[in-house]
Order: sequence, then structure tokens, then C-alpha cells
Amino acid sequence: ETGVTQSPTHLIKTRGQQVTLRCSSQSGHNTVSWYQQALGQGPQFIFQYYREEENGRGNFPPRFSGLQFPNYSSELNVNALELDDSALYLCASSLTGILPYEQYFGPGTRLTVT
Amino acid sequence: DAKTTQPNSMESNEEEPVHLPCNHSTISGTDYIHWYRQLPSQGPEYVIHGLTSNVNNRMASLAIAEDRKSSTLILHRATLRDAAVYYCILRQKIQGAQKLVFGQGTRLTINP
Repeated sequence: ETGVTQSPTHLIKTRGQQVTLRCSSQSGHNTVSWYQQALGQGPQFIFQYYREEENGRGNFPPRFSGLQFPNYSSELNVNALELDDSALYLCASSLTGILPYEQYFGPGTRLTVT
Repeated sequence: DAKTTQPNSMESNEEEPVHLPCNHSTISGTDYIHWYRQLPSQGPEYVIHGLTSNVNNRMASLAIAEDRKSSTLILHRATLRDAAVYYCILRQKIQGAQKLVFGQGTRLTINP
């Protein structure tokens, strides 16, 4: 059974640019969630995708967007990057409809915005 | 969002029990209590969860206060591999999603 994988591991971008982060869910999982973790803080919920539709969103602006593909892999896109977007971005996969809704996290992508 | 409050850090000795406290006084009736832990350079890892009753699994035990305003994660015999940041989390339903609301976490140090 393959776990959750994310790419790239690290990324450096310039303010104003756009970035795409990728996530491959654990086999058989139909739901993916994205979280932002600033240094020294707990992760913050960005949004969740189920059956290729966004079904819940945290307090993040529209320049944070996502996609979920039929094979349940996912992308997080961030436009017009700001310095405060520097963080570890985590994706987590789970199986909606099956308790306990345990979420399996990937190792994250470290994004630095300069 | 309902919030969790944890000590910033705790220290314990190897092979001794560890009790990690968490306050969540604004928890709503439908919020589940989850605990995850995060080792350096890794994503969070599920430890245990509960709603009202105490829970046990192979990793830990979760004791939930009767009024649900606090809970305690119990590691029965800590090992060096248990050194991590432990997050007490409320799982809430938002629109159609199940979201995890993380607090600041407790950094647990285990002394050999």
C-alpha cells in the first residue's frame, strides 16, 4: 500500500509568481485535504476535495485553488504569491463515508517566497 | 472555530507514562477530539480520536472529561521514538467537509 506522496519537496518562488503543488493520495482514498503550516505553528485547513469538487474551505483567499483528478491525485495552486505564503504545505487523504475519517498526511512541500 | 489549548512543551523519562492535557472549552456537541503527532520533517500522524467515551488503541489512551471541555492523551510507556509535537485537534464539519482544527501543539521530549 503506497502512502501519500507530495512533490516537489522544496520550492523557491518570487513574490507575485504562481505555484502548483502536487499530491498523490493513498490507494483507495477518495478525499483530499490541503493544509498550510507556518513555521512553529499547527497546520491550518485550506480546503477539501471529494469526488473532484471542493466541499469545504477554510479562511483562505480565492488565489488559493485546487483540483482533484479522477485518480484522486490533487493539485494546490497559489496565484500572486505573497511573502506570508512561505510555509509547509501538507496534503492529507482520507476515505469519506468510512469512520473514523482518519486523515493520512504526506511529508509536505516547503515553499519559500522571496 | 472552536479552539484547543495545550502546554507548549513537556518532558518525561523513557518507559514512564506521559499525560498530555488539552483544553477545548468551546467544543460543540458534534466535534470529535483527535490527537495527531508530528515528527521532524514529517507530516502529522494519527494517534487516536474520540467523541464522549474514553478510548484505547495500540498507541495510546484518550481520556475525555464528562463535560467534554478537556481531554488527556496517555502514552503508557514512553519510548525515545515518541518524542514529537502532539496536536490536540477538533474535527469539525464545514459545509460538506470534515476539517481538522489544529492548536499550537505540545513538544514532548523523552529523556533516556
